[in-house]
Amino acid sequence: DADVTQTPRNRITKTGKRIMLECSQTKGHDRMYWYRQDPGLGLRLIYYSFDVKDINKGEISDGYSVSRQAQAKFSLSLESAIPNQTALYFCATSAPPNYGYTFGSGTRLTVV
Amino acid sequence: GENVEQHPSTLSVQEGDSAVIKCTYSDSASNYFPWYKQELGKRPQLIIDIRSNVGEKKDQRIAVTLNKTAKHFSLHITETQPEDSAVYFCAAAPGGSNYQLIWGAGTKLIIKP
Repeated sequence: DADVTQTPRNRITKTGKRIMLECSQTKGHDRMYWYRQDPGLGLRLIYYSFDVKDINKGEISDGYSVSRQAQAKFSLSLESAIPNQTALYFCATSAPPNYGYTFGSGTRLTVV
Repeated sequence: GENVEQHPSTLSVQEGDSAVIKCTYSDSASNYFPWYKQELGKRPQLIIDIRSNVGEKKDQRIAVTLNKTAKHFSLHITETQPEDSAVYFCAAAPGGSNYQLIWGAGTKLIIKP
């Protein structure tokens, strides 16, 4: 089935380490997004990309960077992880004119 | 830009009772309003949506109503069951050709046995 796959599913890393979260999709969608979800809070947009050559900052991009390697792949990097980046990270895709978003299963990141 | 507010943040109801979650939006040109359900440890998934040219939409025990004048929309769940326990997110798509969604903060729905 066409889907959105995130790797790893869980990761524990140390403060100061560089870490990359990966997202790949088989839905053929042009648009991809990275969201962060903290306990009791909603979905906050980190970065989004409307196509391979388009990268845009979201509301909480500081401390993060992204790379859109192909239409199907969108990676999120934490250059120097800090404890307050401990959260659940979701990748999502969409394909206008359809408004629906398809989310990946999430990556639970813990920075110690 | 568009802003979506969602209330309440937590809602606890007795099994079998109804639950209502409300969202307000700021951009009068917003034209699409979905609701997503996120079960514990799972990804958010679309459960129902409504477009601005429709006032109400139903799908079995869930319904969404839209009041464009007041700029609010609500999710109604009747005859609640334990499997309805989840976090529910509303969203709005601002007018124009952007097709992006602006999200509410989420409501944790607890169904008490």
